[in-house]
Amino acid sequence: AQSVTQLDSQVPVFEEAPVELRCNYSSSVSVYLFWYVQYPNQGLQLLLKYLSGSTLVESINGFEAEFNKSQTSFHLRKPSVHISDTAEYFCAVRGTGFQKLVFGTGTRLLVSP
Amino acid sequence: NAGVTQTPKFQVLKTGQSMTLQCAQDMNHEYMSWYRQDPGMGLRLIHYSVGAGITDQGEVPNGYNVSRSTTEDFPLRLLSAAPSQTSVYFCASSGDTSSSYEQYFGPGTRLTVT
Repeated sequence: AQSVTQLDSQVPVFEEAPVELRCNYSSSVSVYLFWYVQYPNQGLQLLLKYLSGSTLVESINGFEAEFNKSQTSFHLRKPSVHISDTAEYFCAVRGTGFQKLVFGTGTRLLVSP
Repeated sequence: NAGVTQTPKFQVLKTGQSMTLQCAQDMNHEYMSWYRQDPGMGLRLIHYSVGAGITDQGEVPNGYNVSRSTTEDFPLRLLSAAPSQTSVYFCASSGDTSSSYEQYFGPGTRLTVT
């Protein structure tokens, strides 16, 4: 079975500052890792995913995450945030094949001017 | 291509009432899931289906029933609503290995049980 830990329930940051949202996972098998974003009153959208290959993955809107197998982490980073990045971010993990997607408890990113 | 649709968007029930949350997808995805989202608890899997006629329980299945008679539809039934079922419910679907099982989510149903 897999599990995900997002230690920060809320991260306040000023616009144009860098941000890191932390995600750690546990699993006894190889995993796929995901970050989803939820804007207010909306469903979840896939932000980026790690399946295999390069451990650094990027999204189209400037976020990146690095898979670190030794530290079982998949932290999400952005060098300069915008007001529009205010949302809740969920890290998720699953084993290979169709297995249940396990979500973390989410981190609310609050970007202020 | 509407993706994943859910109805209704909002619902208020009295304790003991039953209802069905509808979910449909038009992407010909085999896999469909129901989650509930509660503050501070992330998303928890209620039931899922790996194809028409096949369903299985997730993490929090009690009080909910599902069926999958077609590939497109995956309704969630609340048998006898309880205040503990007040939540936001999301349906999701995912495809085959070419899309690496990326899950596509519907807009959600906000349910209040009084």
